[in-house]
Amino acid sequence: KQEVTQIPAALSVPEGENLVLNCSFTDSAIYNLQWFRQDPGKGLTSLLLIQSSQREQTSGRLNASLDKSSGRSTLYIAASQPGDSATYLCAVGNQAGTALIFGKGTTLSVSS
Amino acid sequence: GAVVSQHPSRVICKSGTSVKIECRSLDFQATTMFWYRQFPKQSLMLMATSNEGSKATYEQGVEKDKFLINHASLTLSTLTVTSAHPEDSSFYICSASRYGTGTDTQYFGPGTRLTVL
Repeated sequence: KQEVTQIPAALSVPEGENLVLNCSFTDSAIYNLQWFRQDPGKGLTSLLLIQSSQREQTSGRLNASLDKSSGRSTLYIAASQPGDSATYLCAVGNQAGTALIFGKGTTLSVSS
Repeated sequence: GAVVSQHPSRVICKSGTSVKIECRSLDFQATTMFWYRQFPKQSLMLMATSNEGSKATYEQGVEKDKFLINHASLTLSTLTVTSAHPEDSSFYICSASRYGTGTDTQYFGPGTRLTVL
């Protein structure tokens, strides 16, 4: 059974810092991996989607990497801003057309 | 494109009543939709997989007679929480799978906050 773990559970940094969020999964035979952002009381915003054949994806200040063999993904946020404060969720798709399996998230707080 | 809506966004009901939540794919057809539940400070947990024209598949521990799912068209799935109790209070989120773009991408609705008094 696939399990997704995110470390750390919470992170506080001053504005401007670069930071890394970690995600690990137990079964490396995945179809894709997705990073989401969730603001308090709100739904999900998709940040980056990495297919199993890809190593990384970039969008603006965000970069996500995928190492299937080790069962790890990282989300790199450059030059963090207070507006980046949110919970970041990592989710794995085991097969095409199946539901995603989510980690518990990392709650990020960026202070000005 | 690829927008998924949910209605209502927030609902408060009395214990023992039933509540229906709608999930719509606005600009694409979705043969498969998923229903998730999120308790405070927890992650999203899959409740059931909804397939158009067939019965939903429920995850272990989810009561199919309590959480009724209907996927009557390619753009609409509904979740009805029957005889709701305070422990059913949660954030319910649906997602819809979109095929045909070379990748399998799921698009999530904005969620429905259910509070049972």
